[in-house]
Amino acid sequence: AQKVTQAQTEISVVEKEDVTLDCVYETRDTTYYLFWYKQPPSGELVFLIRRNSFDEQNEISGRYSWNFQKSTSSFNFTITASQVVDSAVYFCALISSGSARQLTFGSGTQLTVLP
Amino acid sequence: EAQVTQNPRYLITVTGKKLTVTCSQNMNHEYMSWYRQDPGLGLRQIYYSMNVEVTDKGDVPEGYKVSRKEKRNFPLILESPSPNQTSLYFCASSFQPGTGNYGYTFGSGTRLTVV
Repeated sequence: AQKVTQAQTEISVVEKEDVTLDCVYETRDTTYYLFWYKQPPSGELVFLIRRNSFDEQNEISGRYSWNFQKSTSSFNFTITASQVVDSAVYFCALISSGSARQLTFGSGTQLTVLP
Repeated sequence: EAQVTQNPRYLITVTGKKLTVTCSQNMNHEYMSWYRQDPGLGLRQIYYSMNVEVTDKGDVPEGYKVSRKEKRNFPLILESPSPNQTSLYFCASSFQPGTGNYGYTFGSGTRLTVV
């Protein structure tokens, strides 16, 4: 079985603050893939990143960065200098080689960036 | 443009009135799946299909049916909708779900209300 936990249900920050969204995953497989999706108020799911279990390099894309640590089974997402447009629900998701039929989502974190 | 198209985007219906939500993809993906999203629960898989005429249950299949007669289409059928099926529904497709290499493409979502 696989599981994704996003313990932070809601986070509020003031614009320009940095914010980190936590994601902890469980899987018995050694080959797996982790994803982050953004869901703005309009409702669609926007793909942000995909990372495989063999690549522990951190990644930075503009104001977004991801910290993957297999030792703690975490794949955290940091937004630097947050903006109001970052307000959305963010989902972490996992698919593993033993559960190839299912992309398992966390419960999501509602991020609100206040002006 | 490569995409997954869901229709309708919004639907309000009454208890017991059969309905179908359509899903179509133009990427020749073998794998298709339906998810429902509920507050605090993230996205949960309803049904999936690994190929034409091959479908199987996800985590929450009760009250739903699917069919996969053609590769591009994967309709979700609610034979007798009930209020607890009020939710946001997403269709997704992927080329090789087990590898994660190709990621998932999601439709824009269907917001269903059953009164």
